[in-house]
Amino acid sequence: QSVLTQPPSVSAAPGQKITISCSGRSSNIEKNYVAWYQQVPGTAPKILINDNDKRPSGIPDRFSASKSGASATLGIAGLQTGDEADYYCGAWDSSLNTYVFGPGTTVTVL
Amino acid sequence: EVQVVESGGALVQPGGSLRLSCVVSGVNITTYWMNWVRQAPGKGPEWVANIKQDGSETYYVDSVKGRFTISRDNAKNSLFLQMNSLRAEDTAVYYCASRPGWGQGTLVTVS
Repeated sequence: QSVLTQPPSVSAAPGQKITISCSGRSSNIEKNYVAWYQQVPGTAPKILINDNDKRPSGIPDRFSASKSGASATLGIAGLQTGDEADYYCGAWDSSLNTYVFGPGTTVTVL
Repeated sequence: EVQVVESGGALVQPGGSLRLSCVVSGVNITTYWMNWVRQAPGKGPEWVANIKQDGSETYYVDSVKGRFTISRDNAKNSLFLQMNSLRAEDTAVYYCASRPGWGQGTLVTVS
């Protein structure tokens, strides 16, 4: 059972905006930076967001993220078919001294 | 552009050993904590271990403590994972991961 909680799936039509939540604890999300990863089936995970809300170079500004307390949220605006993937949140857990990933959210573009 | 290339994955029998390597180009890894992350077939990523910039601190997931050792060679911009006493449940794609990016992974099969 994951330390972080994500919805199993989210779906929406092209062009719409979706949000994916990631809930944790004071020892992980509240205390440490959150990252978000995108994994298209058959490929390696790719970093979408670092440090709660920072997009690495090359990541479109359609992707945004925020954090409040022990929860974080990833937003994807202007949904495209190429956004169909699994999305994972992750954070260091200061109590466990391990990095923890959420169980992942599958995004489907209708 | 950052490039991360892992190698060393193979088919190995239970109880065997493997040493994974990762070479990073396009960025100086001395700035970053470095990680190994694995992903078993059909599962989500699982963090395995990490090492501080100067190698003075390391952390491991409980399931590999005492069996795996992470190390780095900053002069060669490289990361390593020595895996001993391998078990079937260690079967996964192993990724070298850090803030600048992840590699494509190397497959370890224990059977």
